[in-house]
Amino acid sequence: GAVVSQHPSWVICKSGTSVKIECRSLDFQATTMFWYRQFPKQSLMLMATSNEGSKATYEQGVEKDKFLINHASLTLSTLTVTSAHPEDSSFYICSAGSVGGSYEQYFGPGTRLTVT
Amino acid sequence: GENVEQHPSTLSVQEGDSAVIKCTYSDSASNYFPWYKQELGKRPQLIIDIRSNVGEKKDQRIAVTLNKTAKHFSLHITETQPEDSAVYFCAASIGDKLTFGTGTQLKVEL
Repeated sequence: GAVVSQHPSWVICKSGTSVKIECRSLDFQATTMFWYRQFPKQSLMLMATSNEGSKATYEQGVEKDKFLINHASLTLSTLTVTSAHPEDSSFYICSAGSVGGSYEQYFGPGTRLTVT
Repeated sequence: GENVEQHPSTLSVQEGDSAVIKCTYSDSASNYFPWYKQELGKRPQLIIDIRSNVGEKKDQRIAVTLNKTAKHFSLHITETQPEDSAVYFCAASIGDKLTFGTGTQLKVEL
């Protein structure tokens, strides 16, 4: 149980275009999802907390107009990287947590974004 | 906000030896401390976790200890095997929000 999927697993886009990444909880409802970014050989950095039916909460230094988050249902959150640039190339990972009172977070498999 | 420091950044051990990774956290309100193993290009995989009301937890070859007073927690892996080679991250959580350590590249050599 507690499976999280992401789509796509990898994407290559041209500079200036937008890319949407989907995060789905497959067998449970997630009122809260989290989006992380991980650069090569670095740690996971929380970008934003996505709350179903309300605006996302962004971490300091993360541009909310560049990284658009939508959490329209209890099983789907999306991250759109707008006007992507090569420096946005990274591994993006979502997670969902607090299932049945557990503190554990369940991570998606990640999306490798390369901006050329 | 929470700050988590992790040491060492790299660790090489011989197969069968023990490995210890240490983390410190800054916010005394943190109440959940998971450890993750991440292989290249894959998602973080929870290997063990501990809550703030527990001092030690063990699961086969893996154990975690927590010292709330000192704000330290450590991962202990005994009888290391080549398949233990990966990057390990500690994390500290206040509520749902996880803050990760900087990671430790563990290499288990034959």
